[in-house]
Amino acid sequence: GAVVSQHPSWVICKSGTSVKIECRSLDFQATTMFWYRQFPKQSLMLMATSNEGSKATYEQGVEKDKFLINHASLTLSTLTVTSAHPEDSSFYICSALDRASGSKDFGPGTRLTVT
Amino acid sequence: DAKTTQPTSMDCAEGRAANLPCNHSTISGNEYVYWYRQIHSQGPQYIIHGLKNNETNEMASLIITEDRKSSTLILPHATLRDTAVYYCIAGTASKLTFGTGTRLQVTL
Repeated sequence: GAVVSQHPSWVICKSGTSVKIECRSLDFQATTMFWYRQFPKQSLMLMATSNEGSKATYEQGVEKDKFLINHASLTLSTLTVTSAHPEDSSFYICSALDRASGSKDFGPGTRLTVT
Repeated sequence: DAKTTQPTSMDCAEGRAANLPCNHSTISGNEYVYWYRQIHSQGPQYIIHGLKNNETNEMASLIITEDRKSSTLILPHATLRDTAVYYCIAGTASKLTFGTGTRLQVTL
């Protein structure tokens, strides 16, 4: 399947700071990428859908000013958690849609801990 | 996405076939059945997907009933490394909504 990478794999930051997470499609061009969040012992929840060159579409209840998404190229989307708080501590996972094959592949995830 | 119902957990002996059921009675005509699995602290791994025909790949087989209201994922020879949460999703690639999945425990 297609390869999606994320960086960093884990990050610890202080409350009030901002953290940027990168998602890259390594062997295909992804016009659409998705950001999910997963709290312990829960399932993945879709946060937003980003399309290359346009604004992201956020799911209900997700603050777009807090979770900034940029999808400036066909292989890179970034999620910035602004003014992070301990309740933002979670496992953030991106996925990318390979329209050529129709497959949707996921990155390995980024574990964010806000202290 | 159509809602799916899966058993919360299942056990399977190593070397035996693991049959994971999924109900998706409200699936619409353009929605596929996708299966992913998630091993602890990793991103979901794609397994297989299908529309109405049965599908097979190197990982698993997917059996979809004729009315498309349910499906079964078959791991033909389960190994300890297949222990994971398995998610059945009825939807389109542009919109996949994860439910709670089935926790499969493969034992010796």
